Amino acid sequence: EIVLTQSPGTLSLSPGERATLSCRASQSVGSRYLAWYQQKPGQAPRLLIQDASSRATGIPDRFSGSGSGTDFTLTISRLEPEDFAVYYCQQYGSSPYTFGQGTKLEI
Amino acid sequence: EVQLVQSGAEVKKPGESLKISCKGSGYSFINYWIGWVRQMPGKGLEWMGIIYPGDSDTRYSPSFQGQVTISADKSISTAYLQWSSLKASDTAMYYCARRSGQVFEIWGQGTMVTVSS
Repeated sequence: EIVLTQSPGTLSLSPGERATLSCRASQSVGSRYLAWYQQKPGQAPRLLIQDASSRATGIPDRFSGSGSGTDFTLTISRLEPEDFAVYYCQQYGSSPYTFGQGTKLEI
Repeated sequence: EVQLVQSGAEVKKPGESLKISCKGSGYSFINYWIGWVRQMPGKGLEWMGIIYPGDSDTRYSPSFQGQVTISADKSISTAYLQWSSLKASDTAMYYCARRSGQVFEIWGQGTMVTVSS
């Protein structure tokens, strides 16, 4: 199975700053078969990005995704207070469709 | 409104059986895969498996194959996750989610399962 490694484990930033989160796959996920989810405490995850760079419905354009193959990035251009959460990447190029271990974005 | 509503929290003893549910509404239940995701306390997300309610085609992660059973009753738009003999290590939050394309677009609210003697 494909292992996804997210870095950093924790990212400490302030509102208004730019956040860059990384997701690296142990083998190619088939070009762009990667999604990003956001999870806030006590809530279910929420889909942000699919196909590496396509924002899900209703997701603000400050969220952007990039990458292909084995290296992917989620960028939040200017952090809002509601963006502080845990972010997970997920590959769906090869079953089982594994998740990364998460990056906690904290103030 | 498209939504998935999961059954309530459960507290069980080791060795007991359990079946939790996930009811879909607001869309054609038989036409979308439903997946199950485990989140152990303070940990990340784990993909357990998926089912296509239209024909009950089911796929499991190797990590969960033989440990749980995923099923669906399309007549009542409900998917299930069940255990025949719970262990303390099954203590976790379990989410169901509707797959759209290849991603989990709609999520249930989660069911907390606690296994303790």
